[in-house]
Parts: sequence; C-alpha cells; structure tokens
Amino acid sequence: SYVLTQPPSVSVAPGKTARITCGGNNIGSKSVHWYQQKPGQAPVLVIYYDSDRPSGIPERFSGSNSGNTATLTISRVEAGDEADYYCQVWDSSSDPLYVFGTGTKVTVL
Amino acid sequence: QLQLQESGPGLVKPSETLSLTCTVSGGSISSSSYYWGWIRQPPGKGLEWIGSIYYSGSTYYNPSLKSRVTISVDTSKNQFSLKLSSVTAADTAVYYCARAHCSGGSCHLGHWGQGTLVTVSS
Repeated sequence: SYVLTQPPSVSVAPGKTARITCGGNNIGSKSVHWYQQKPGQAPVLVIYYDSDRPSGIPERFSGSNSGNTATLTISRVEAGDEADYYCQVWDSSSDPLYVFGTGTKVTVL
Repeated sequence: QLQLQESGPGLVKPSETLSLTCTVSGGSISSSSYYWGWIRQPPGKGLEWIGSIYYSGSTYYNPSLKSRVTISVDTSKNQFSLKLSSVTAADTAVYYCARAHCSGGSCHLGHWGQGTLVTVSS
C-alpha cells in the first residue's frame, strides 16, 4: 500500500513560517489534501487539491506538490495554528483508497 | 449548513460488534456529488480510513478491516452506519463520520462529525 511520511514535529516562532512536508513515491502525480486537528477536535480541511483553500481558511495556509514531496506552508504563524497536521491522498489504483500521512505536531514557541 | 453527528455505544465488549450511526443534517445523503465515510483514530495516534459508501449503496473498505466491516446507508433517514465485528482492544478509537467530495481523480473529506470515542473493554 502507498505510504505517506511526515516529520513527527515542527517548531516555529510566532510570525515565522512553518513548512510541513509529506513524502511519498511520485506524490507529485497525485492530489494532496491537508487537515488540521486541534486537541479534542475533529480534523478540518485546510488545503485540497495540492493548493486550494476552502472558504474560511486564511491565506496564510498554502500548499505545493512536486516530485516525491508535498508541502504545507503556514506563513506568519499564530499561536492558534498549533495543532496536528495530516496529509492525505486518494488513489483508485491503491488499496486502501484513502491514505493519511503519519501526522506532524506543529508547536508555536 | 451541513452537519454530521455520530451516535452509538461508547463501550463495547471484546468479540462483540461495534455499531455506529451517522446522521446527516443540512444536506441530502442522496446527493450524487458526495461519498460518505468512516475514519478512526486510536488514542494518541493517527487517522485511519475504514470505508466509504455512495448513496446507491456501493461500498469501499480498507483491506485491513474488510473482513469485519459493513457500511450501510438509509436514505429515508439521511443516515449511514458502521458495523465492525469481533472487536478487540485495538479497535478502541475515536470514530469519525465524514463527507467526501470526489473530482478530478481524487477525493477529500470536507466535512467531519465531531467524533465519538468507542472503548473496547469487558
């Protein structure tokens, strides 16, 4: 089955930029979606189709995807961005259809 | 505004069947644009997709759980359900229901329920 690898943790100072990577074999050929999950809450979609933002998600959140790595970038980080972040792909030729990354804990210093 | 709400027992005995229902409000489960799915998260761990269903009844399961999982839909009640048989402590998790939108060869989960913790213990 397809595997998505994320760093366990990323630390960033307020106002700086956080970059969270999601590694997978030729992931650039797939669409990547990103979720934010705060403690005790359900995941929230923050980026879909590599770089699209749902309504209500700040422009500070952006995404890119190329080669073997997809990246979620959070600019001008705020304390409220502290959360776990998961990447996800869907592949009709894969089993399971939905694959989630291992998750990254973003800590705002 | 679309809302999804999980319901069901919070405690299930080992070897028994876990049963959960997701009630959809603010939208029709019969919409041709969406699939409906279950995802779980063991305490302190990551997300795992369990399976999905289309309003027509077509189902798709995670192969690691396929032998124990049944997902069904009741369009008259705007609900879909999960049954997981022969549970063990490893099935203890927060269970989420979610709506998936599929387009351009990919699917993402745009709306989630709040989740419900199911503990497997005697």
